[in-house]
Amino acid sequence: DAGVTQSPTHLIKTRGQHVTLRCSPISGHKSVSWYQQVLGQGPQFIFQYYEKEERGRGNFPDRFSARQFPNYSSELNVNALLLGDSALYLCASSSGQGARYEQYFGPGTRLTVT
Amino acid sequence: AQSVTQPDIHITVSEGASLELRCNYSYGATPYLFWYVQSPGQGLQLLLKYFSGDTLVQGIKGFEAEFKRSQSSFNLRKPSVHWSDAAEYFCAVGPYNTDKLIFGTGTRLQVFP
Repeated sequence: DAGVTQSPTHLIKTRGQHVTLRCSPISGHKSVSWYQQVLGQGPQFIFQYYEKEERGRGNFPDRFSARQFPNYSSELNVNALLLGDSALYLCASSSGQGARYEQYFGPGTRLTVT
Repeated sequence: AQSVTQPDIHITVSEGASLELRCNYSYGATPYLFWYVQSPGQGLQLLLKYFSGDTLVQGIKGFEAEFKRSQSSFNLRKPSVHWSDAAEYFCAVGPYNTDKLIFGTGTRLQVFP
């Protein structure tokens, strides 16, 4: 079975632009979470969606938004990009909601803001 | 506040030597604890997790971790390190009812032949 897939792999944007990152969960998984990993740091939780509803939000500005589609894939949108948004964005999927369900991480999208 | 501390930023060991990576957490309730490994260019892979019960947890790739409530620690161990274990290791804590994980800053493991 395919794992979690993310697109694009790499992305270069300019300050002030908008970006959309995409995530396809493992088949049958209904929960998708997004994390931001700045170089040299651990991942930071951005959003969780379960059954197409937002179930958790981290401490990120309103420039960050996300949604989950009927097929459980997800998009992360970031508006008005700042240099500090440069990071690896990780998507994780799980079959249920809660820590007892293992989260499977994708390879990430490397975003560079210049 | 909930937090995870990994005191060692970088550890270097010789192949075949034993390994212990430290993790301390601050969490209001009974924590769910995890160790993940991240190889260059890869996503995170779960090594092991602790929810309850036996405080010594076995994971994949020969890793184990011990939960010590009195010390708020969840240290990762391996008796004999292989060169392929070189990677970044992250300790994480999470609540039972959401997928939100709080990660430490990671420990980079370098293995010398």
